[in-house]
This record gives sequence, C-alpha cells and structure tokens, in this order.
Amino acid sequence: EDQVTQSPEALRLQEGESSSLNCSYTVSGLRGLFWYRQDPGKGPEFLFTLYSAGEEKEKERLKATLTKKESFLHITAPKPEDSATYLCAVQAGIQGAQKLVFGQGTRLTINP
Amino acid sequence: DGGITQSPKYLFRKEGQNVTLSCEQNLNHDAMYWYRQDPGQGLRLIYYSQIVNDFQKGDIAEGYSVSREKKESFPLTVTSAQKNPTAFYLCASSIARGVNEKLFFGSGTQLSVL
Repeated sequence: EDQVTQSPEALRLQEGESSSLNCSYTVSGLRGLFWYRQDPGKGPEFLFTLYSAGEEKEKERLKATLTKKESFLHITAPKPEDSATYLCAVQAGIQGAQKLVFGQGTRLTINP
Repeated sequence: DGGITQSPKYLFRKEGQNVTLSCEQNLNHDAMYWYRQDPGQGLRLIYYSQIVNDFQKGDIAEGYSVSREKKESFPLTVTSAQKNPTAFYLCASSIARGVNEKLFFGSGTQLSVL
C-alpha cells in the first residue's frame, strides 16, 4: 500500500532559523512528488513538483529535494509569513491525480 | 482572475438532512475532485470526474454523491447516510488526466453538524 509520512507534525522556529521538513514515502512506481502550502482555513497552494531522485527546485526561501525514499523541504532564513502547513503528496502509477496520496502535513510556525 | 470558487464557506447540517456544497471553476480544466480534510490526517479523495457526465468514486465515497452536468461545475452532496460529516471539504481541478498534473484548490467549505 502506498504511504506518505511527514515529520515533524509541528515545528516552531525563530525568524531566520533555517530548518528542513521531511516527507518519507513508500510507493510503487513514483510518477511525481508534490509540495503544497496551506494557510489556515484555505485550500492548498501548489509549490513544487519533483519527478526523479536528485532533482531540486527552489522558490524564494524554499528548496525541495528528492531521493528514492524521501523528500525534504528546506527553508532558509524563514520569515513569519512562511508560517503555514506544508503538505506532501505522491503520485504513483499512470492514472493521474486521482491516485495522489497525501501526507498529514507539517505545521510550521515562524516567530518574529 | 481564473480560479475555483467554493460556497458556502461554512455550512451546518441537521441530523437526517442532505446538504450540497458548490464548486465552480473557470480554468477550463477537464478534471475535478472532491477531498475531505480532517485534523491530523492527509487529504482523502471522495469523488473525481475527468469529463462531463462521468465521475468515479474515490477512497471514501460512501455517504456522498456528485454530478458533473457542466465542465465548470462539480457539486458535492453530503447525504444523511454520512454519519460523520464534520470536516473541511476541498474542491480541486487539474488541466489533464494521465500526466503529472498539479491540482488547483478552492478555498474550502467547513461542514459542521448541529
């Protein structure tokens, strides 16, 4: 069974304190790994798609990396506006987004 | 601006009542999805539709129903058979099927039981 586990469940950092969020996955035939950001009471917003081990993508203070077993979302010198829940999802097989498996999310809080 | 509109933002259901959540998109996307989000759990797929007049059950379809009469609209009905409906419901769409498509989400509907 395909599984996605995110850690930690919650993370509290001081402004400027860099850290990483983890997404471990067990799927057969990874087609893509997605990162989303979700603010309280709102829908998730797309951040990155990673397709193969070794791939990296960056956006402002965020960088996502992918290995054969896990993905990391690195946040460098975060600001309070980076506070949100970060969701990881994996797509396995060839059937498209209806086969996405989501992790439970990491709730990130950046204190000023 | 293109996007997905969900309404209402908050909805309350009485016991035995059916309620319908609205989802409209103007992105010209073929595929639309309904997810349920519970605290501490990942998003779970309720129903999805890849073309008009066709839809498929997801992982937790029991107690829910949908229709897809127009490309732009994909309403979800939470029936009285759904015994634990309290959750945050998210509608999403994607541009194509069978590829690594990213999802575009609406702003969600919080459903609570009175």
